[in-house]
Amino acid sequence: GENVEQHPSTLSVQEGDSAVIKCTYSDSASNYFPWYKQELGKRPQLIIDIRSNVGEKKDQRIAVTLNKTAKHFSLHITETQPEDSAVYFCAARNPADGLTFGKGTHLIIQP
Amino acid sequence: GAVVSQHPSWVICKSGTSVKIECRSLDFQATTMFWYRQFPKQSLMLMATSNEGSKATYEQGVEKDKFLINHASLTLSTLTVTSAHPEDSSFYICSATHRVGTDTQYFGPGTRLTVL
Repeated sequence: GENVEQHPSTLSVQEGDSAVIKCTYSDSASNYFPWYKQELGKRPQLIIDIRSNVGEKKDQRIAVTLNKTAKHFSLHITETQPEDSAVYFCAARNPADGLTFGKGTHLIIQP
Repeated sequence: GAVVSQHPSWVICKSGTSVKIECRSLDFQATTMFWYRQFPKQSLMLMATSNEGSKATYEQGVEKDKFLINHASLTLSTLTVTSAHPEDSSFYICSATHRVGTDTQYFGPGTRLTVL
């Protein structure tokens, strides 16, 4: 089955700086890679996703890049704000299965 | 659009009892629903995939006789934790996709189960 590794487990950045979270996956059949933001006790919220036929996608301050050859994808958040503080999960999915999540990154935005 | 609800939002039960959790798609028909479990400060782990009208597909290590899943309609899936024990205490979250072949999963708000 799919295995998703996510780093770092904790990331602390100064407000206004950029944050980068990286994930690798193992199953070359996976073709969909979403990123979720989860606040304590709440449901995961989709913030951006990318499919395997695209190398990069951007939505305002958030961008995701995908390297299919290396089987890794990254989340980039620019101009971080206090409300960006949360746990972020990457995930991968091959067409036949549900999502396999990374272990999560606790992002802390320092004022 | 694409709202998923869960009921109850939290439940406390005694060891040995069974608990049913409902997952509903409120404004769309969910071709596939997924059930995840999340322990404190950990990631979401897929338990099973459920398609309307057919048996659920369970992930390795998930006991199908303990976690009964029913997906009787395109808007409702239920997860029953049978003979619950304290180690089953967790946050159970469902998600749904609304068209065959689409990837985006919409998550419910989760159900916090505490087994005493």
